[in-house]
Amino acid sequence: DAGVTQSPTHLIKTRGQQVTLRCSPKSGHDTVSWYQQALGQGPQFIFQYYEEEERQRGNFPDRFSGHQFPNYSSELNVNALLLGDSALYLCASSLVTAGYYYGYTFGSGTRLTVV
Amino acid sequence: KQEVTQIPAALSVPEGENLVLNCSFTDSAIYNLQWFRQDPGKGLTSLLLIQSSQREQTSGRLNASLDKSSGRSTLYIAASQPGDSATYLCAVIASGTYKYIFGTGTRLKVLA
Repeated sequence: DAGVTQSPTHLIKTRGQQVTLRCSPKSGHDTVSWYQQALGQGPQFIFQYYEEEERQRGNFPDRFSGHQFPNYSSELNVNALLLGDSALYLCASSLVTAGYYYGYTFGSGTRLTVV
Repeated sequence: KQEVTQIPAALSVPEGENLVLNCSFTDSAIYNLQWFRQDPGKGLTSLLLIQSSQREQTSGRLNASLDKSSGRSTLYIAASQPGDSATYLCAVIASGTYKYIFGTGTRLKVLA
């Protein structure tokens, strides 16, 4: 049973560029959340997608956008990259009908470095 | 606004010791609390999940307790091993939201 899969694992981008990160949820899950984790900090919630719609958003600027596809996979897009966007980006999936009973399953993350 | 605090920020213990990691949260209206382990540069591995109606969960050498009324959770690790060295994060889902609020973690080092 595949867990949450994220790609790529590492990425280096230049300031001002755009980046797309990808996530495939755990088999059977239908909800995808994205988190940003700066070095030495806990993960910060970016947004959550369910039924291809953004269900909740954290305190991140509009440069951060996302998409969920009919197969429940998701993309995180960041435009006009800043040095401060360098972080580990984590994807988490869950099953909405299970409520919060099983918690969320996290992927291994994408390490983004902006130079 | 829900805030999660973890104490201590770092801990170094000799192998074989029993230890307790602390997590506190400011709003008792939560759906659940989850403890995670994170190895350097890696993703999050779920250790224990406690529903808001539960008081504790156990898995092997790990035991987590939850006291919603006081806004506290503890993670107890018995007979620590060098392989337990990692950062331990706790997170809560506040009622009415879909997001985890994380603490900044406790960095644990178990010395052989």
